[in-house]
Amino acid sequence: QSALTQPASVSGSPGQSITISCTGTTSDVGAYNYVSWYQQHPGKAPKLMIYDVTERPSGVSNRFSGSKSDNTAFLTISGLQAEDEADYYCSSFTTTTTWVFGGGTKLTVL
Amino acid sequence: QMQLQESGPGLAKPSETLSLTCTVSGGPISRSNYYWAWIRQPPGKGLEWIGSVFYKGSTYYNPSLKSRATLSVDTSKNQFSLKLTSVTAADTSIYFCARQSPILHSVDNWGQGTLVTVSS
Repeated sequence: QSALTQPASVSGSPGQSITISCTGTTSDVGAYNYVSWYQQHPGKAPKLMIYDVTERPSGVSNRFSGSKSDNTAFLTISGLQAEDEADYYCSSFTTTTTWVFGGGTKLTVL
Repeated sequence: QMQLQESGPGLAKPSETLSLTCTVSGGPISRSNYYWAWIRQPPGKGLEWIGSVFYKGSTYYNPSLKSRATLSVDTSKNQFSLKLTSVTAADTSIYFCARQSPILHSVDNWGQGTLVTVSS
């Protein structure tokens, strides 16, 4: 199975909004609304930020939001803060009962 | 709140078998139909799902590992395990054990990760 496609890096200034894309196929992202997003700071385990495309777990800031169009999912972070600087990974359930991750996107807060 | 902790050797030799265990605390591993997963991350690279196991024994694997991975559960010890055979330097990674929620369809709880280096 191929990894989902994410941009290698994105950047934004404090207070701005950024969007990270995650492109898959009709066998994963496009098949179900089972896309999730994870935030990973250096040396730490990933943290779930978005599940089922648009849902936020308890305790996650409402500055984080998710959406999907066809085979591409999106993570938007509004009101960028310094603490948002991290790596972000998308993940999707697939039609072959497996899970696939994206290659990761490094977010830099300028 | 459940906690997960990986354990096992930090070094494996090429062609040998890598074995890791994840100990779950704060609740029974058979709770709420969770799946239990192993996910790895080569140093400086992205995440790769290895496989998932249900407490009753059903398993799902990443086909790219070509049957080298085996996951199992020991409910009496509240642990689940990973065995990866015929390892090479490409298997050098941080290995995370994790809990997959059937409701959230995602990983909602992670261990801290353990680095395994494959080298002679």
